[in-house]
Amino acid sequence: NAGVTQTPKFRILKIGQSMTLQCTQDMNHNYMYWYRQDPGMGLKLIYYSVGAGITDKGEVPNGYNVSRSTTEDFPLRLELAAPSQTSVYFCASGPGVWGEQFFGPGTRLTVL
Amino acid sequence: AQTVTQSQPEMSVQEAETVTLSCTYDTSESDYYLFWYKQPPSRQMILVIRQEAYKQQNATENRFSVNFQKAAKSFSLKISDSQLGDAAMYFCALKDNNNDMRFGAGTRLTVKP
Repeated sequence: NAGVTQTPKFRILKIGQSMTLQCTQDMNHNYMYWYRQDPGMGLKLIYYSVGAGITDKGEVPNGYNVSRSTTEDFPLRLELAAPSQTSVYFCASGPGVWGEQFFGPGTRLTVL
Repeated sequence: AQTVTQSQPEMSVQEAETVTLSCTYDTSESDYYLFWYKQPPSRQMILVIRQEAYKQQNATENRFSVNFQKAAKSFSLKISDSQLGDAAMYFCALKDNNNDMRFGAGTRLTVKP
């Protein structure tokens, strides 16, 4: 099992550009999550999904969008990138609401 | 709202000795889980240990154990026989039956040889 994979590993964006961060898991988990980690801080939840076709906002959803068309994939879309979105983004998946979350390796995004 | 507080930004321990990392939390829910995650320089988030709130017995995983004080809303992590590979950021996290897992700001652990 590859677990949770994320692409790209690094990206630099200009202000106003858009991009999609990809996340794929091969553990057949229903629950998937997107977090951001700002320097020196813990992770904050952006969006989550409890199954294909079902998504909901987390603590810091502004400036982001998600979709979940399959169990495996949970892409995160940034529209009109801003410097405040400079962060490391983690995708995670888990078998249920109480289960452990398995994390991907993260994407370091810089917006200049 | 859930909150998780780690009051020690940095801790240091001598190799082979024991260190305790502190965490306090707040939630209005009666059902919840608590976690400690390790984040080495590779950035990978690795689960160290978890505790179900309804269990009175403290969780243990090899050299890692917790002191869970439910009334005090305290959840500390003890690392025994510290090894160089234990050096990392450690995050305490709280998850109740909402889907929002809240993380503390982290404690950076240094292990001295």
